Amino acid sequence: AQSVAQPEDQVNVAEGNPLTVKCTYSVSGNPYLFWYVQYPNRGLQFLLKYITGDNLVKGSYGFEAEFNKSQTSFHLKKPSALVSDSALYFCAVRDFWNAGNMLTFGGGTRLMVKP
Amino acid sequence: NAGVTQTPKFQVLKTGQSMTLQCAQDMNHEYMSWYRQDPGMGLRLIHYSVGAGITDQGEVPNGYNVSRSTTEDFPLRLLSAAPSQTSVYFCATRVSSGANVLTFGAGSRLTVL
Repeated sequence: AQSVAQPEDQVNVAEGNPLTVKCTYSVSGNPYLFWYVQYPNRGLQFLLKYITGDNLVKGSYGFEAEFNKSQTSFHLKKPSALVSDSALYFCAVRDFWNAGNMLTFGGGTRLMVKP
Repeated sequence: NAGVTQTPKFQVLKTGQSMTLQCAQDMNHEYMSWYRQDPGMGLRLIHYSVGAGITDQGEVPNGYNVSRSTTEDFPLRLLSAAPSQTSVYFCATRVSSGANVLTFGAGSRLTVL
């Protein structure tokens, strides 16, 4: 079975400060890892993904994430937060060998960026 | 391209009523899926389809039916609605191969009284 944990329900950060949204995962094989963002009353939008290769993945809107196999983590980061980054963020994992193509989501972390 | 279109956006049902949530896509994606979103629980997969005529259960399939007669459409049916089905429902699609990214619809908010 595969699972994802986002240990923080909410992260508060001041505009201009760096931000980190944490994610840990569990899969039996090699993981595909994703970050999605949801703005109010909208569907989820893709931010970035890790499949293989470089452990630091760069995505949309200046976000990046670091894959750490030993710690089974895939934390989302941004060097300088914007008020417009305030949204709900979801980490998701899929087992590389999962024939069912199921993507498992974490519970979500609300990011609040204050001016 | 419209992407993924869900209807209705909002619906209120009484316990025991039936309804269908519609999902249509114009991207020729083989894979289509339905998720429900509940506070603190993230998104949970209800049913999915890897092509016309093929459907399978996800994590929380009970109380829901699906069918896939065309590539474009993937309706989700609630045969006898229950208050526990109050949720926001998202349809998501992608190309089947590789680690392709899901494209989500805008969601359908369902309240069962």
